[in-house]
Amino acid sequence: EPEVTQTPSHQVTQMGQEVILRCVPISNHLYFYWYRQILGQKVEFLVSFYNNEISEKSEIFDDQFSVERPDGSNFTLKIRSTKLEDSAMYFCASKPRDRGNTIYFGEGSWLTVV
Amino acid sequence: GENVEQHPSTLSVQEGDSAVIKCTYSDSASNYFPWYKQELGKRPQLIIDIRSNVGEKKDQRIAVTLNKTAKHFSLHITETQPEDSAVYFCAASIEGTYKYIFGTGTRLKVLA
Repeated sequence: EPEVTQTPSHQVTQMGQEVILRCVPISNHLYFYWYRQILGQKVEFLVSFYNNEISEKSEIFDDQFSVERPDGSNFTLKIRSTKLEDSAMYFCASKPRDRGNTIYFGEGSWLTVV
Repeated sequence: GENVEQHPSTLSVQEGDSAVIKCTYSDSASNYFPWYKQELGKRPQLIIDIRSNVGEKKDQRIAVTLNKTAKHFSLHITETQPEDSAVYFCAASIEGTYKYIFGTGTRLKVLA
């Protein structure tokens, strides 16, 4: 069964550094998402992306964050000038056009900012 | 915006007993309600979902009920097994929009 894949699985970065988290959505999916989960807390919506543009974003997704689909397969989340509070698990997810609202999550990228 | 409350935050049951997790939502426009199971360090996995045009859906030992009037929905797990131990999240969404709003999660422990 096809899965959403994410890299890296774990990244440690210095505060103030930029990080890029990468995702390969399921190949025939058209909608892409980033969610984050701070340790022990709920999963929070960050951003959705469709047709090469942001569809919706939460108030968490400020100017520090950006997303990109640089080619036909990858979907990236860039965090500029990371802060300690950006430490979290970041989940990529994708959805096909014809399966209602069911979205499929990747395994996550655990980001630790020190 | 939408807000989803989930209770209880932790739940311990004896193996073989039933477990019930409840969620309430605030936006009456929400019409799609998935439930996810998340094992430690793993991705959330969809276990069951329900749309607002039905009141109940069942899949083997798992069932979900929806009360649109009261804006709450519940997950029922019968004949619990140790492998059911995980964190369960409910979510609400408006079909055709692009995001889920998740509840705060319930840590279920099934005691052998």
